[in-house]
Order: sequence, then structure tokens, then C-alpha cells
Amino acid sequence: DAGVTQSPTHLIKTRGQQVTLRCSPKSGHDTVSWYQQALGQGPQFIFQYYEEEERQRGNFPDRFSGHQFPNYSSELNVNALLLGDSALYLCASSFGFPVIEQFFGPGTRLTVL
Amino acid sequence: AQKVTQAQTEISVVEKEDVTLDCVYETRDTTYYLFWYKQPPSGELVFLIRRNSFDEQNEISGRYSWNFQKSTSSFNFTITASQVVDSAVYFCALSVPTGTASKLTFGTGTRLQVTL
Repeated sequence: DAGVTQSPTHLIKTRGQQVTLRCSPKSGHDTVSWYQQALGQGPQFIFQYYEEEERQRGNFPDRFSGHQFPNYSSELNVNALLLGDSALYLCASSFGFPVIEQFFGPGTRLTVL
Repeated sequence: AQKVTQAQTEISVVEKEDVTLDCVYETRDTTYYLFWYKQPPSGELVFLIRRNSFDEQNEISGRYSWNFQKSTSSFNFTITASQVVDSAVYFCALSVPTGTASKLTFGTGTRLQVTL
């Protein structure tokens, strides 16, 4: 039973570029959440997707957008990258509502130069 | 709004010592869940325990134990007889589920270093 998978593992971009990160949820899960973890900090909630809709959003600018596909996988897009977007991006999946337990993937390490 | 505070930034202990990681949370909601996650150097968050706001019973699982006290809004985590493999960053988190979504609010983490 595969857990949450994320791709790519590492990514290096330059300021102003755009990036897309991908997440496949754990088998049987239908909800995907994205978190940003800056170095030395706790993860910060970006948004949560269920039934292909954004259900809740954290305090992140519109440069951060997402999508959920019919197979429950999800993408996180970040436009106009800033140096401050350098972080570990974690995807978590869960099943149904209310969401009680979330299972995390290994993350994508994004470096913006 | 929810908030989680982990006042201890870093703790260093010698193997076999007991260590307690502190967590204080804030929420106005009466229904909520508290979590502890472990993050080894690989980066993946590993779930350790979940407690709901209606269950203040403390729990022991092997070398791990948790002390949940609503009166002080604390959810502390103790490792007994620590081992080098326990070295990691530990995060306390709070979730207040709604009808349509539920996010995790994390503390800033406590880095635990266990040496021989």
C-alpha cells in the first residue's frame, strides 16, 4: 500500500519563474492538503482540496494556487517565485470529513535563487 | 484563531535519560484534536499520537507517554530512556475540524539531540 508520494524531490528555480509540485495521496484517501515549511519553522497550511475544490486556504498570496484531479492527486503551483518561497513543501492526504488524521509525504525541497 | 507554542527550541540529552517536550495550545473551540509528529532528517513527518479534546486520559506507548491537561492547555510528550534514534525535530499540532475542512496548526518544533 503506497503512502503519499510527491514529485519532484528537489527543485531549483530562479526568481520570477513558476513551479508546479505534484502529490499523489495515500490509497483510499480523497482529501489533499499542502503545507510550506521554511527552514527551522513548523509547517504552515497553504490550502486543502476535496472533491476538486479548494475548501480552506491559509494566509498565502494568490501566487499560490492548486488543483485536484478526479483521481484525487493534486498540484501546487507557485507563480512569480520569490527568494522567500524557498522551503520544504509537504503534501498530506486524508479521508472524508471531518478531517482528523493527515498522512504526510516526504516533501519537495524548493530552492529559489 | 488557533495557536501552538513549543517554547523549547532545542534539547540535548545523553542516551537513557528521560526527556519531556512541552506544548501549549490556544483555541476557543470545544472540539479539537492534538497531535505529535516526529520529523527525522529525511524530512517526512511521522505521526506519533492523536488525542481529542474530550479524552484527557494520559497514554503510554512503549517508551513514549503523553500528558494532556485541558486546565493548562498543555499536551506534553515524554520519552523515557531516550535513544540516539529518537534524535529528530518534534512538532505539536492542533486541528479544529469544521464541516468542510480542517487544517493542522503546528508549533515551531523542538529539536531533540540524543548523544551517547
